[in-house]
Amino acid sequence: DTGVSQDPRHKITKRGQNVTFRCDPISEHNRLYWYRQTLGQGPEFLTYFQNEAQLEKSRLLSDRFSAERPKGSFSTLEIQRTEQGDSAMYLCASSLVRDVNEQFFGPGTRLTVL
Amino acid sequence: AQSVTQPDIHITVSEGASLELRCNYSYGATPYLFWYVQSPGQGLQLLLKYFSGDTLVQGIKGFEAEFKRSQSSFNLRKPSVHWSDAAEYFCAVGVPSGSARQLTFGSGTQLTVLP
Repeated sequence: DTGVSQDPRHKITKRGQNVTFRCDPISEHNRLYWYRQTLGQGPEFLTYFQNEAQLEKSRLLSDRFSAERPKGSFSTLEIQRTEQGDSAMYLCASSLVRDVNEQFFGPGTRLTVL
Repeated sequence: AQSVTQPDIHITVSEGASLELRCNYSYGATPYLFWYVQSPGQGLQLLLKYFSGDTLVQGIKGFEAEFKRSQSSFNLRKPSVHWSDAAEYFCAVGVPSGSARQLTFGSGTQLTVLP
């Protein structure tokens, strides 16, 4: 399967703990996006990378959130000192620069903060 | 900034009946338009997209959508619904300029299909 993959698929953590999610995009895609989806809502943009450079962040991305894409391939999203309001599905998508609007989504990581 | 409205939170149809899901957008020009489907526990799958040209676009799984500039709408249709179409459907817009090109999604329409 050469689609976007995300790991883990589910994460349950206690409030105050740190969590890290991984996204592996489609191999030739140089753009990578993170979105957050809460219950009953559509996905909301968090941040995106072109190759290894993080080029834009949403206001939704508080200081407790950090994302990296060190070699321009996989990406990680870390949430420090998790809060119950962070409970959501975190979706990763990738695209080619020449076709930036056609984004391919991974299955998501569902985070539950107790 | 662009926005998307999906006025119907939940729609129920019988198998074999026709389907129309509504989507209205707000943007100063013609945006790029998408419909995605999400099954429980799954990511988003692209059904179809509109960039320019013919305003009636065909997608996968027998879906089609029509762009109407005068109504700022991009409604999704299917002539005969199958039980496997039960899922959540999201309309999204992307802007044709700017660097990020992130998508802005509506809040979704949950489709239930009755046997």
